Amino acid sequence: DGGITQSPKYLFRKEGQNVTLSCEQNLNHDAMYWYRQDPGQGLRLIYYSQIVNDFQKGDIAEGYSVSREKKESFPLTVTSAQKNPTAFYLCASSARTGTTKANEQFFGPGTRLTVL
Amino acid sequence: GENVEQHPSTLSVQEGDSAVIKCTYSDSASNYFPWYKQELGKGPQLIIDIRSNVGEKKDQRIAVTLNKTAKHFSLHITETQPEDSAVYFCAANSGYSTLTFGKGTMLLVSP
Repeated sequence: DGGITQSPKYLFRKEGQNVTLSCEQNLNHDAMYWYRQDPGQGLRLIYYSQIVNDFQKGDIAEGYSVSREKKESFPLTVTSAQKNPTAFYLCASSARTGTTKANEQFFGPGTRLTVL
Repeated sequence: GENVEQHPSTLSVQEGDSAVIKCTYSDSASNYFPWYKQELGKGPQLIIDIRSNVGEKKDQRIAVTLNKTAKHFSLHITETQPEDSAVYFCAANSGYSTLTFGKGTMLLVSP
Protein backbone atom coordinates (compact mmCIF):
# COMPACT_ATOMS: atom_id res chain seq x y z
CA ASP A 1 0.00 0.00 0.00
CA GLY A 2 1.51 3.31 -1.06
CA GLY A 3 0.89 6.31 1.10
CA ILE A 4 1.98 8.81 3.71
CA THR A 5 2.23 7.98 7.39
CA GLN A 6 2.46 10.41 10.27
CA SER A 7 3.19 9.53 13.85
CA PRO A 8 2.09 9.86 16.49
CA LYS A 9 -1.60 10.64 15.92
CA TYR A 10 -1.80 12.57 19.20
CA LEU A 11 1.09 14.29 20.95
CA PHE A 12 1.22 16.16 24.22
CA ARG A 13 4.05 18.41 25.23
CA LYS A 14 4.90 20.64 28.13
CA GLU A 15 5.73 24.28 27.53
CA GLY A 16 9.43 24.80 26.83
CA GLN A 17 10.00 21.36 25.30
CA ASN A 18 10.97 20.62 21.71
CA VAL A 19 9.02 17.87 19.96
CA THR A 20 9.55 16.09 16.64
CA LEU A 21 6.72 14.94 14.36
CA SER A 22 7.38 12.09 11.96
CA CYS A 23 6.37 11.93 8.28
CA GLU A 24 7.22 9.03 5.98
CA GLN A 25 6.11 8.35 2.39
CA ASN A 26 6.57 5.37 0.08
CA LEU A 27 5.14 7.04 -3.04
CA ASN A 28 8.63 7.76 -4.43
CA HIS A 29 7.76 11.46 -4.38
CA ASP A 30 10.54 14.02 -4.49
CA ALA A 31 8.72 16.91 -2.79
CA MET A 32 7.37 16.98 0.77
CA TYR A 33 5.51 19.62 2.76
CA TRP A 34 4.44 20.51 6.28
CA TYR A 35 1.24 22.44 6.98
CA ARG A 36 -0.35 23.72 10.13
CA GLN A 37 -4.14 23.74 10.46
CA ASP A 38 -6.04 25.82 12.99
CA PRO A 39 -9.85 26.09 13.21
CA GLY A 40 -11.15 28.49 10.55
CA GLN A 41 -7.65 29.17 9.20
CA GLY A 42 -7.28 26.66 6.41
CA LEU A 43 -3.86 25.12 5.78
CA ARG A 44 -0.75 27.24 6.18
CA LEU A 45 2.62 26.15 4.80
CA ILE A 46 5.44 25.77 7.34
CA TYR A 47 8.31 24.24 5.31
CA TYR A 48 8.74 22.35 2.08
CA SER A 49 11.45 20.32 0.42
CA GLN A 50 11.74 19.64 -3.28
CA ILE A 51 14.77 17.36 -3.06
CA VAL A 52 16.90 15.56 -0.48
CA ASN A 53 19.17 17.81 1.60
CA ASP A 54 17.31 20.96 0.53
CA PHE A 55 14.28 22.74 2.03
CA GLN A 56 12.65 26.18 2.00
CA LYS A 57 10.65 28.19 4.50
CA GLY A 58 6.95 28.56 3.96
CA ASP A 59 4.65 31.28 5.25
CA ILE A 60 4.92 30.46 8.98
CA ALA A 61 8.37 28.89 9.53
CA GLU A 62 9.27 30.75 12.74
CA GLY A 63 9.66 28.36 15.68
CA TYR A 64 9.92 25.26 13.47
CA SER A 65 12.81 23.31 11.93
CA VAL A 66 13.04 20.43 9.45
CA SER A 67 15.55 18.05 7.90
CA ARG A 68 15.49 16.01 4.70
CA GLU A 69 18.23 13.41 4.90
CA LYS A 70 16.25 10.72 3.08
CA LYS A 71 13.78 10.94 0.22
CA GLU A 72 11.14 9.06 2.22
CA SER A 73 11.32 11.10 5.41
CA PHE A 74 10.69 14.75 6.35
CA PRO A 75 10.52 15.21 10.15
CA LEU A 76 9.29 18.48 11.67
CA THR A 77 10.58 19.80 14.99
CA VAL A 78 8.38 22.19 16.91
CA THR A 79 10.75 24.19 19.09
CA SER A 80 10.14 26.04 22.31
CA ALA A 81 10.38 29.27 20.28
CA GLN A 82 7.00 28.55 18.68
CA LYS A 83 4.60 30.76 20.65
CA ASN A 84 1.37 28.90 20.02
CA PRO A 85 2.17 25.34 18.92
CA THR A 86 -1.17 23.66 19.70
CA ALA A 87 -2.58 22.72 16.27
CA PHE A 88 -3.22 19.92 13.78
CA TYR A 89 -0.09 19.26 11.67
CA LEU A 90 -0.33 17.78 8.20
CA CYS A 91 2.41 16.36 6.00
CA ALA A 92 2.03 16.06 2.23
CA SER A 93 4.09 14.93 -0.76
CA SER A 94 4.07 15.40 -4.52
CA ALA A 95 5.97 14.17 -7.57
CA ARG A 96 9.11 15.81 -8.91
CA THR A 97 9.00 19.54 -9.69
CA GLY A 98 8.65 20.26 -13.38
CA THR A 99 6.44 17.24 -14.10
CA THR A 100 2.73 17.48 -14.86
CA LYS A 101 2.02 15.87 -11.47
CA ALA A 102 4.20 18.30 -9.50
CA ASN A 103 1.29 20.25 -8.04
CA GLU A 104 -0.79 17.23 -6.97
CA GLN A 105 -0.24 16.98 -3.24
CA PHE A 106 -1.30 13.96 -1.21
CA PHE A 107 -1.74 14.24 2.54
CA GLY A 108 -1.04 12.07 5.54
CA PRO A 109 -3.57 11.55 8.38
CA GLY A 110 -2.12 14.31 10.56
CA THR A 111 -0.74 14.71 14.08
CA ARG A 112 -2.64 16.68 16.71
CA LEU A 113 -0.19 18.47 19.02
CA THR A 114 -1.39 19.83 22.33
CA VAL A 115 0.81 21.92 24.61
CA LEU A 116 -0.10 21.50 28.25
CA GLY B 1 2.12 35.95 -3.50
CA GLU B 2 -1.09 34.11 -4.21
CA ASN B 3 -4.24 34.80 -2.18
CA VAL B 4 -7.25 32.48 -2.27
CA GLU B 5 -10.68 33.47 -0.95
CA GLN B 6 -13.37 30.83 -0.39
CA HIS B 7 -17.13 31.22 0.16
CA PRO B 8 -19.30 30.33 1.93
CA SER B 9 -17.64 29.28 5.18
CA THR B 10 -20.60 27.01 6.02
CA LEU B 11 -23.26 25.50 3.77
CA SER B 12 -26.28 23.44 4.79
CA VAL B 13 -28.35 21.54 2.20
CA GLN B 14 -30.97 18.82 2.14
CA GLU B 15 -30.07 15.40 0.82
CA GLY B 16 -30.53 15.35 -2.94
CA ASP B 17 -29.96 19.08 -3.38
CA SER B 18 -26.95 20.58 -5.15
CA ALA B 19 -24.12 22.41 -3.38
CA VAL B 20 -21.81 25.05 -4.85
CA ILE B 21 -18.62 26.38 -3.28
CA LYS B 22 -16.78 29.31 -4.86
CA CYS B 23 -13.17 30.46 -4.76
CA THR B 24 -11.28 33.42 -6.16
CA TYR B 25 -7.53 33.74 -6.64
CA SER B 26 -5.22 36.69 -7.19
CA ASP B 27 -2.18 35.46 -9.17
CA SER B 28 -2.85 35.32 -12.91
CA ALA B 29 0.12 32.93 -13.24
CA SER B 30 -1.66 30.20 -11.27
CA ASN B 31 -2.61 27.29 -13.52
CA TYR B 32 -3.60 24.43 -11.21
CA PHE B 33 -6.69 24.39 -8.98
CA PRO B 34 -7.39 21.36 -6.77
CA TRP B 35 -10.26 20.67 -4.40
CA TYR B 36 -9.83 18.67 -1.21
CA LYS B 37 -12.35 17.00 1.11
CA GLN B 38 -11.45 16.67 4.79
CA GLU B 39 -13.42 14.52 7.19
CA LEU B 40 -13.20 15.13 10.91
CA GLY B 41 -9.81 14.22 12.36
CA LYS B 42 -8.37 13.09 9.01
CA GLY B 43 -6.04 14.48 6.38
CA PRO B 44 -7.45 16.22 3.27
CA GLN B 45 -8.21 14.02 0.28
CA LEU B 46 -7.88 15.26 -3.29
CA ILE B 47 -11.29 14.87 -4.96
CA ILE B 48 -10.94 16.76 -8.22
CA ASP B 49 -8.64 19.26 -9.88
CA ILE B 50 -8.56 21.44 -12.97
CA ARG B 51 -5.81 23.01 -14.99
CA SER B 52 -6.03 26.37 -16.72
CA ASN B 53 -6.26 24.90 -20.21
CA VAL B 54 -9.82 23.64 -19.58
CA GLY B 55 -12.97 25.36 -18.37
CA GLU B 56 -14.82 22.45 -16.77
CA LYS B 57 -14.15 18.96 -15.47
CA LYS B 58 -16.61 16.36 -14.19
CA ASP B 59 -16.28 13.20 -12.14
CA GLN B 60 -19.62 11.52 -11.43
CA ARG B 61 -21.51 13.83 -9.01
CA ILE B 62 -18.79 16.45 -8.69
CA ALA B 63 -17.65 19.07 -11.19
CA VAL B 64 -15.32 22.03 -11.17
CA THR B 65 -15.54 25.10 -13.38
CA LEU B 66 -12.82 27.68 -14.00
CA ASN B 67 -13.11 31.26 -15.26
CA LYS B 68 -9.56 32.50 -15.83
CA THR B 69 -10.64 35.97 -16.88
CA ALA B 70 -12.51 36.54 -13.65
CA LYS B 71 -9.99 34.49 -11.63
CA HIS B 72 -12.57 32.29 -9.97
CA PHE B 73 -13.36 28.60 -9.84
CA SER B 74 -16.20 26.62 -8.30
CA LEU B 75 -16.99 23.15 -6.99
CA HIS B 76 -20.40 21.72 -7.80
CA ILE B 77 -21.80 18.66 -6.02
CA THR B 78 -25.09 17.27 -7.34
CA GLU B 79 -27.49 14.85 -5.63
CA THR B 80 -25.80 15.41 -2.28
CA GLN B 81 -25.68 12.56 0.23
CA PRO B 82 -25.03 12.60 4.00
CA GLU B 83 -21.56 11.16 3.40
CA ASP B 84 -20.69 14.32 1.46
CA SER B 85 -20.71 16.18 4.79
CA ALA B 86 -17.15 17.39 5.40
CA VAL B 87 -14.92 20.44 5.10
CA TYR B 88 -13.94 21.31 1.53
CA PHE B 89 -10.83 23.31 0.62
CA CYS B 90 -9.93 24.94 -2.65
CA ALA B 91 -6.34 25.78 -3.57
CA ALA B 92 -4.26 27.40 -6.28
CA ASN B 93 -0.63 26.79 -7.13
CA SER B 94 2.00 29.35 -6.21
CA GLY B 95 5.23 28.86 -8.09
CA TYR B 96 6.52 25.42 -9.06
CA SER B 97 5.01 23.17 -6.48
CA THR B 98 3.47 25.00 -3.55
CA LEU B 99 -0.28 25.49 -3.03
CA THR B 100 -2.18 28.31 -1.36
CA PHE B 101 -5.39 27.14 0.30
CA GLY B 102 -8.72 28.79 0.97
CA LYS B 103 -10.01 28.77 4.55
CA GLY B 104 -12.49 25.98 3.91
CA THR B 105 -16.23 25.39 3.65
CA MET B 106 -18.06 23.16 6.11
CA LEU B 107 -20.77 21.33 4.15
CA LEU B 108 -23.61 19.71 6.10
CA VAL B 109 -26.03 17.47 4.23
CA SER B 110 -29.18 16.69 6.20
CA PRO B 111 -31.13 13.47 5.52
